[in-house]
Amino acid sequence: AQSVTQLGSHVSVSEGALVLLRCNYSSSVPPYLFWYVQYPNQGLQLLLKYTSAATLVKGINGFEAEFKKSETSFHLTKPSAHMSDAAEYFCAVSPDNAGNMLTFGGGTRLMVKP
Amino acid sequence: DAGITQSPRHKVTETGTPVTLRCHQTENHRYMYWYRQDPGHGLRLIHYSYGVKDTDKGEVSDGYSVSRSKTEDFLLTLESATSSQTSVYFCAISGTTDTQYFGPGTRLTVL
Repeated sequence: AQSVTQLGSHVSVSEGALVLLRCNYSSSVPPYLFWYVQYPNQGLQLLLKYTSAATLVKGINGFEAEFKKSETSFHLTKPSAHMSDAAEYFCAVSPDNAGNMLTFGGGTRLMVKP
Repeated sequence: DAGITQSPRHKVTETGTPVTLRCHQTENHRYMYWYRQDPGHGLRLIHYSYGVKDTDKGEVSDGYSVSRSKTEDFLLTLESATSSQTSVYFCAISGTTDTQYFGPGTRLTVL
């Protein structure tokens, strides 16, 4: 069985500040981890994915995430928030690198203040 | 953008009526999925398909059925809609070595 917990359903940062969105997972097999972003009234878009090639994964729009096995975490970061980053972010885990059986966390809504 | 469309995009219906949502893809991907999105729950898998006429249940399949008679179409049916099925429904697709790509969603309201 696998599960994902996202700490903080809402996160608010100022424009230019560090963005940190937290994700912890549990998985009975080596996990493949994903971050998706959802802009208002749209579907989900893949930000980045971890498939064991490297623990630090760079994604689109300046986001990156680090896989830490000892902490069972895959937190998402961006050094400097932009107004356009305001969206909902979902962490997900899959037992295979194709992401064919995704289990999602509850989501974190990121608000960016001017 | 992956070629995924969902229809209808919005629907309001009454309790007890049947509802069918359609997902259409132009990517010839093998896997297709139906999720529902509810506040605080993220997305939860309802049903998925791994080929024509090959489907299986997901985490929240009760009250839903699916059919896939062609590679490009995956239908989700609510046989008798209930208010608890008010949600936003997303279709997704993936190939054998690819990531899931999501459609634009269908907002369903059951009165």
